[in-house]
Amino acid sequence: AQTVTQSQPEMSVQEAETVTLSCTYDTSESNYYLFWYKQPPSRQMILVIRQEAYKQQNATENRFSVNFQKAAKSFSLKISDSQLGDTAMYFCAFMKPVGNQFYFGTGTSLTVIP
Amino acid sequence: GAVVSQHPSRVICKSGTSVKIECRSLDFQATTMFWYRQFPKQSLMLMATSNEGSKATYEQGVEKDKFLINHASLTLSTLTVTSAHPEDSSFYICSAKPHRGTLFETQYFGPGTRLLVL
Repeated sequence: AQTVTQSQPEMSVQEAETVTLSCTYDTSESNYYLFWYKQPPSRQMILVIRQEAYKQQNATENRFSVNFQKAAKSFSLKISDSQLGDTAMYFCAFMKPVGNQFYFGTGTSLTVIP
Repeated sequence: GAVVSQHPSRVICKSGTSVKIECRSLDFQATTMFWYRQFPKQSLMLMATSNEGSKATYEQGVEKDKFLINHASLTLSTLTVTSAHPEDSSFYICSAKPHRGTLFETQYFGPGTRLLVL
């Protein structure tokens, strides 16, 4: 079974600063996908960034980047130049390549302080 | 692109009645759709995987006779909560996976449906 752990229930960061959200997972699969989703107060899930496990290069999307450590089964999200609109719940997710089920972590509530 | 809608956005019903929630992929075909349940301040819990033209696959602990799922077309899946009770009150979210070969491996989420059973 796949498990995803987010050890930081709540975090805060000053506007324009950088923050890192941690995520670890456990799986016996060798190929899989990892995601970070954002859920603002509207509760719409928004894809932030994705990473294929077979790619060693860390994914980057504008201010968002990941540190993917496959051997350590770690997948952290770094948000640079934090903006007020980044305030949301952030969920780390693991997706199996067969069946494509998502397994979500418990989430990290991020607050950007003006 | 890749928009998923849900209807209704919120519904209030009496205990014992059935409620149907629709999930539609608006601009892509989805052979696979997923249904999640989310309690306040908690994570999304996968309930079932819905494949077009076949029976849904339910996660352990989810009552398939309670939560009926139908995936009749490549753009529509429905979740029916039968004989709803107050403990079924929750936020239900669907997601759709684009057909392989069209978009990369991911899921696109609907905006969710808030169900309140009185």
